[in-house]
Amino acid sequence: EAGVVQSPRYKIIEKKQPVAFWCNPISGHNTLYWYLQNLGQGPELLIRYENEEAVDDSQLPKDRFSAERLKGVDSTLKIQPAELGDSAVYLCASSSFDTEAFFGQGTRLTVV
Amino acid sequence: AQKVTQAQTEISVVEKEDVTLDCVYETRDTTYYLFWYKQPPSGELVFLIRRNSFDEQNEISGRYSWNFQKSTSSFNFTITASQVVDSAVYFCALSEAEQGAQKLVFGQGTRLTINP
Repeated sequence: EAGVVQSPRYKIIEKKQPVAFWCNPISGHNTLYWYLQNLGQGPELLIRYENEEAVDDSQLPKDRFSAERLKGVDSTLKIQPAELGDSAVYLCASSSFDTEAFFGQGTRLTVV
Repeated sequence: AQKVTQAQTEISVVEKEDVTLDCVYETRDTTYYLFWYKQPPSGELVFLIRRNSFDEQNEISGRYSWNFQKSTSSFNFTITASQVVDSAVYFCALSEAEQGAQKLVFGQGTRLTINP
């Protein structure tokens, strides 16, 4: 069974440019998460979806970050415009009812 | 508010030594879950264990064991006879027992280096 797939693995952009990350969760997992992991820190939840509905986006900086999960499967996280402080690893995870969260390998973003 | 503290930022031991990673948590919930994840250099978080707050039995899985003590709000992880492949960053995490979903609150992680 394929795991959580994220792309790209690495992204370097100039500040003020837009960037998007894509996530394909494990088949059948209705819950999808985006986490932000700063260097040397644990991941922090940005947004959680139940199917196509964002049920917890309290930590998402809505002035520049947006996310969508069309048809309750794949998800895209966007930053526009990117700032230097957005450099981090963006992790996607998915889970099914009463299972642990399975994580992808993440997208390492560098803003220069 | 929920909080997880992993006081050990880095640990370095020689192969075959036993090593314990500490985890202390804070929560007002009476029902919650505790987790350990391993993050190797490849980046993905690998699930190791989940324990609910009503199950204080210690667990052993091969060389890994976990000691859950509600009285001290701790959920420590021990690797026996460590191996070089155990080198990784280990995260302890806490979540509310919200049915069907998990909002994980992670500690800062402990970087474990096993030297040959």
